[in-house]
Amino acid sequence: GAVVSQHPSWVICKSGTSVKIECRSLDFQATTMFWYRQFPKQSLMLMATSNEGSKATYEQGVEKDKFLINHASLTLSTLTVTSAHPEDSSFYICTTSGRSRHEQYFGPGTRLTVT
Amino acid sequence: AQTVTQSQPEMSVQEAETVTLSCTYDTSENNYYLFWYKQPPSRQMILVIRQEAYKQQNATENRFSVNFQKAAKSFSLKISDSQLGDTAMYFCAFSLMEYGNKLVFGAGTILRVKS
Repeated sequence: GAVVSQHPSWVICKSGTSVKIECRSLDFQATTMFWYRQFPKQSLMLMATSNEGSKATYEQGVEKDKFLINHASLTLSTLTVTSAHPEDSSFYICTTSGRSRHEQYFGPGTRLTVT
Repeated sequence: AQTVTQSQPEMSVQEAETVTLSCTYDTSENNYYLFWYKQPPSRQMILVIRQEAYKQQNATENRFSVNFQKAAKSFSLKISDSQLGDTAMYFCAFSLMEYGNKLVFGAGTILRVKS
């Protein structure tokens, strides 16, 4: 199956700083990637859809100026949390459909802690 | 808009016994996929089973099977011969059949397998 990686797996940053999370598809070209956020013991909530070469589509209630998404190549999408605050602490997961529409492939997730 | 409902926040089962996790969904579409995902403590999402809505036959994967009732919009997961390694959070999810479509998740059910 397709492999999706995320970097870093865990990051701690200070309040007010920005942090970038990378999502890479390792063995296929991903024209579309999805970014989800998951709070402890809760479900995955879609934040945005990342399309290669175009602007991301954000879900209602997600601040596009705070969560900057860039999908500059077919194998890399990045999520930058700008001016992070403690309430942004969460688990961020990227997914992509890969070659098959039948299944989505999940990255291992990035745990963000804002102090 | 599609919604997915899991009404059991937590379930417990004895090792080697059978347990059923419930899921209902709402959609006006006719062509879609339904999934059950497992999220162990590592938080890496693992696909357990997938069902195409146009298939009447219930999907099975070894000890895992589903009861798909399209008219009732119900999609339950049965785990037979439960093992300690089955302890995890289980998410029911929905996606439309078009390529690159997002997943909509239920709230999740924490399953604990007891020895």
